[in-house]
Amino acid sequence: GIQVEQSPPDLILQEGANSTLRCNFSDSVNNLQWFHQNPWGQLINLFYIPSGTKQNGRLSATTVATERYSLLYISSSQTTDSGVYFCAVDSGGGADGLTFGKGTHLIIQP
Amino acid sequence: NAGVTQTPKFQVLKTGQSMTLQCAQDMNHNSMYWYRQDPGMGLRLIYYSASEGTTDKGEVPNGYNVSRLNKREFSLRLESAAPSQTSVYFCASSGGTPTPYNEQFFGPGTRLTVL
Repeated sequence: GIQVEQSPPDLILQEGANSTLRCNFSDSVNNLQWFHQNPWGQLINLFYIPSGTKQNGRLSATTVATERYSLLYISSSQTTDSGVYFCAVDSGGGADGLTFGKGTHLIIQP
Repeated sequence: NAGVTQTPKFQVLKTGQSMTLQCAQDMNHNSMYWYRQDPGMGLRLIYYSASEGTTDKGEVPNGYNVSRLNKREFSLRLESAAPSQTSVYFCASSGGTPTPYNEQFFGPGTRLTVL
């Protein structure tokens, strides 16, 4: 099956810093989603981005499908950005399940 | 609009006991999913239902059964719980407008401990 690798596994930053999280995948995809899992365990949808670039406030994401990677940018980090960021992909043709990476654990210190 | 709801939020079982995790969505989605998340890991797919009346195995189906009761509800059953099934269980759904048909939305999770 498709493989998903996220880097870095852990990241500690000061409030106000910028960061880039990377997701590599091993096959073509028809779905790529970025999620934020907050300290209470809730999974929050950030982006649906199988290709192209999107922005939402301080967050933006780019997927280069031909090179099989996606990047999540977080600018001007806030302590509420702390948590685990997951990339998840689906390479099937229908409504198949997502394959998740192991996540990037982000800690924003005040 | 509650999105995806799951009950219970927490559960403790003894080895060999059975239980059913409930999931419901009010987004008129066609597809529903069950995942488990173990410490330090991403989520892994247990079962999914592409549409009402169909179910298919995911990556880790052993020890579980599912029922797609109707379009809104998708339940996960553990017939004889084992300590290896201690995990957090997430339900998800996809397949309605105006969002893309395969964009998944997740419930809050059920934290299950098997002693």
